[in-house]
Amino acid sequence: DAGVTQSPTHLIKTRGQQVTLRCSPKSGHDTVSWYQQALGQGPQFIFQYYEEEERQRGNFPDRFSGHQFPNYSSELNVNALLLGDSALYLCASSRQGEWDQPQHFGDGTRLSIL
Amino acid sequence: AQKVTQAQTEISVVEKEDVTLDCVYETRDTTYYLFWYKQPPSGELVFLIRRNSFDEQNEISGRYSWNFQKSTSSFNFTITASQVVDSAVYFCALSAPRGKAAGNKLTFGGGTRVLVKP
Repeated sequence: DAGVTQSPTHLIKTRGQQVTLRCSPKSGHDTVSWYQQALGQGPQFIFQYYEEEERQRGNFPDRFSGHQFPNYSSELNVNALLLGDSALYLCASSRQGEWDQPQHFGDGTRLSIL
Repeated sequence: AQKVTQAQTEISVVEKEDVTLDCVYETRDTTYYLFWYKQPPSGELVFLIRRNSFDEQNEISGRYSWNFQKSTSSFNFTITASQVVDSAVYFCALSAPRGKAAGNKLTFGGGTRVLVKP
């Protein structure tokens, strides 16, 4: 039973560039959430996708956008990268409506902005 | 708005000692879910335990136990007889979905780093 997989593992970009991160949910899950975790802090919710639509969004600027595909996998896009975007980006999956169940997390993508 | 506070930044213990991690939450919702996750150096968040707002029964699962008190909005977590492999950052998280289509975003605390020395 494959868990949540994310790619790439590490990424180095420069300011102003654009980046795309990818996530495949755990088998049987249909909802994908993205979180940003700065060094030494707790994860912060970016947004959540279900049925290929953004269902909830945290306090992140429009530079952060996403997409969900028919196979439930998802992408996180960040435009005009800033130094402050350096963080661990975590993807989590769950099943819609099963809110008492925990979200399952991937290993994350560590993004460094130079 | 939802908020989770973990006042302890770092805890250091010697192996076999018990470790209790504090978590205080804020929410106006009457139905909510609380979780504890562990984050080892590899980065993956590993689910440990959960509790819903309408079940205050405290439980023990192996070396883990938790104390949920709605009256004080606290959800504390204890590791009994700690081991070196327990060294990690522990996060308390809150979810308060409103309706099936509303989503279940997690609000995390700042985390508590636990260091278990041999």
